[in-house]
Amino acid sequence: LAKTTQPISMDSYEGQEVNITCSHNNIATNDYITWYQQFPSQGPRFIIQGYKTKVTNEVASLFIPADRKSSTLSLPRVSLSDTAVYYCLVGVLMNRDDKIIFGKGTRLHILP
Amino acid sequence: EAGVTQFPSHSVIEKGQTVTLRCDPISGHDNLYWYRRVMGKEIKFLLHFVKESKQDESGMPNNRFLAERTGGTYSTLKVQPAELEDSGVYFCASSQGGFGNTIYFGEGSWLTVV
Repeated sequence: LAKTTQPISMDSYEGQEVNITCSHNNIATNDYITWYQQFPSQGPRFIIQGYKTKVTNEVASLFIPADRKSSTLSLPRVSLSDTAVYYCLVGVLMNRDDKIIFGKGTRLHILP
Repeated sequence: EAGVTQFPSHSVIEKGQTVTLRCDPISGHDNLYWYRRVMGKEIKFLLHFVKESKQDESGMPNNRFLAERTGGTYSTLKVQPAELEDSGVYFCASSQGGFGNTIYFGEGSWLTVV
């Protein structure tokens, strides 16, 4: 499983776009990149997943460069409710071989 | 569609007692995972079921922890006897399987051992 490195914490203001970058230098060919969001007292919640280039959904965008050694989660126009821990995870997540390994995540604090 | 559900949501027990946590995965999900986060630490993998079989239990801390998944549906995680260091939140997750599949987490079972 590829190890991931992401900032421990970030602060931003309401209405701003927030970009959280994750490094995964040892990503394997079959690995997907997945981001989870976790609020206090809740389980991790799936945000977005991608393999290469750009993925966008109603919540966020995920930018993955051609070498796939990093990825950037982009949260458009954040609000106070986006304050949470964000985990970048890399793995194949196949039926039998894989499991999610959590790192420390990035603690995002949105200020008014 | 119902998500991953866990019971109880909170439990306070005395050291030496037994607690059983239950997880109901999303219907049709063959993969079921247990994770744990103790205070101030990262979320740690405990074990992984594929249907009723234990695919990987490398994260189980010791033999006081027993996980079962009879019939490949719901799963239980029993801690017997509980120790103070077992306090934390236990997350269950499930997924369908296959490349790039999404793992969905429950809200967690918060265990406090006093």
